[in-house]
Amino acid sequence: DTAVSQTPKYLVTQMGNDKSIKCEQNLGHDTMYWYKQDSKKFLKIMFSYNNKELIINETVPNRFSPKSPDKAHLNLHINSLELGDSAVYFCASSLQLGGAGELFFGEGSRLTVL
Amino acid sequence: AQSVTQLGSHVSVSEGALVLLRCNYSSSVPPYLFWYVQYPNQGLQLLLKYTSAATLVKGINGFEAEFKKSETSFHLTKPSAHMSDAAEYFCAVSVQGNNRLAFGKGNQVVVIP
Repeated sequence: DTAVSQTPKYLVTQMGNDKSIKCEQNLGHDTMYWYKQDSKKFLKIMFSYNNKELIINETVPNRFSPKSPDKAHLNLHINSLELGDSAVYFCASSLQLGGAGELFFGEGSRLTVL
Repeated sequence: AQSVTQLGSHVSVSEGALVLLRCNYSSSVPPYLFWYVQYPNQGLQLLLKYTSAATLVKGINGFEAEFKKSETSFHLTKPSAHMSDAAEYFCAVSVQGNNRLAFGKGNQVVVIP
């Protein structure tokens, strides 16, 4: 049973479209994250939620809107997609806020914008 | 803000040889340090972490890392490389009270038979 699952695994879409990625964790964790991995494999945090509350919102265009309906789910909606949005988006979770905890990652959602 | 530096994006190692991946950190307060591994088309998984207990940390798959405050380093080693070690390796740092885990740029490890 997958601990952190993301859907879909692959998205291919045209510029200007809107798309969503869903994430669910069954670990009972309080904190969830979205990370973006670019073509050079660099990982950067985008958002963090703790118990449905937004904790971290890095300098991400407001075309990106996360939503956490409950603490087991964190979705990412992207409006008006641009070429530069092409990347792998990883969802992750951790037991709680704070620096020492292990992050558990999903397998990633590869977004290609044409 | 805290950060880590990993030099050399690609590392080639012969099967059976020592694997050494270097990580240096920058932090104004005591850091928590991590090594994660990413196999092709998969998410990241934790290899090991340092959280201010023992300075020599043992992880999964025979990897270990040593925290050296004087050198601000947390290098990852494995005595004998195996073909299954071919992957991307990321060093990461965070601090108490900060929810941000900052990753290095990663090392792509290639194991040569």
